[in-house]
Amino acid sequence: DAGVIQSPRHEVTEMGQEVTLRCKPISGHNSLFWYRQTMMRGLELLIYFNNNVPIDDSGMPEDRFSAKMPNASFSTLKIQPSEPRDSAVYFCASSLQNSGNTIYFGEGSWLTVV
Amino acid sequence: GQNIDQPTEMTATEGAIVQINCTYQTSGFNGLFWYQQHAGEAPTFLSYNVLDGLEEKGRFSSFLSRSKGYSYLLLKELQMKDSASYLCAVRDLSTGANNLFFGTGTRLTVIP
Repeated sequence: DAGVIQSPRHEVTEMGQEVTLRCKPISGHNSLFWYRQTMMRGLELLIYFNNNVPIDDSGMPEDRFSAKMPNASFSTLKIQPSEPRDSAVYFCASSLQNSGNTIYFGEGSWLTVV
Repeated sequence: GQNIDQPTEMTATEGAIVQINCTYQTSGFNGLFWYQQHAGEAPTFLSYNVLDGLEEKGRFSSFLSRSKGYSYLLLKELQMKDSASYLCAVRDLSTGANNLFFGTGTRLTVIP
């Protein structure tokens, strides 16, 4: 079975450029999460969706970050404009909406903003 | 809010037993998870506790005490491949039904 699929795996971009990260959740899962991981702050929840609807975006650092989920099999996380402090690994994860179900992570998108 | 604490680093010897502790404070606790993350890879699920007690799964066991806000992950018969970060995470119903909040992780180094 395919797991959570993210693209790109690695991206290096210049400060000020727009960055779009993509995610395809596990088929049948109806919750989708975007996390950011850095050495200093660990794994932080940015936003999560249930049934394509954003439920909690309180973790989104600022207005430069936006996320969409136009359908059950696709989500994007966009940073515009990007800044060097956005350099991190961005993980997408999915699960079934049930308090007992675990969250499965994609391989991550490694972003470097120079 | 959530407050999750675990040691930053630990070192143990191949073949030995190691216990990684996690303490937490949440307002709507509804389950504790342990994940393993090798360097450069995604976190992978290890265990889940929602009731007090010990859950055993092969060489790995996880314990939960809800009254104490405490969990540990026990790794037996350590192998070199167990060198990784171990992340403690809690599900907090007060912020949403399904999202997890993670600690900063414990980096375990297994030495020969």
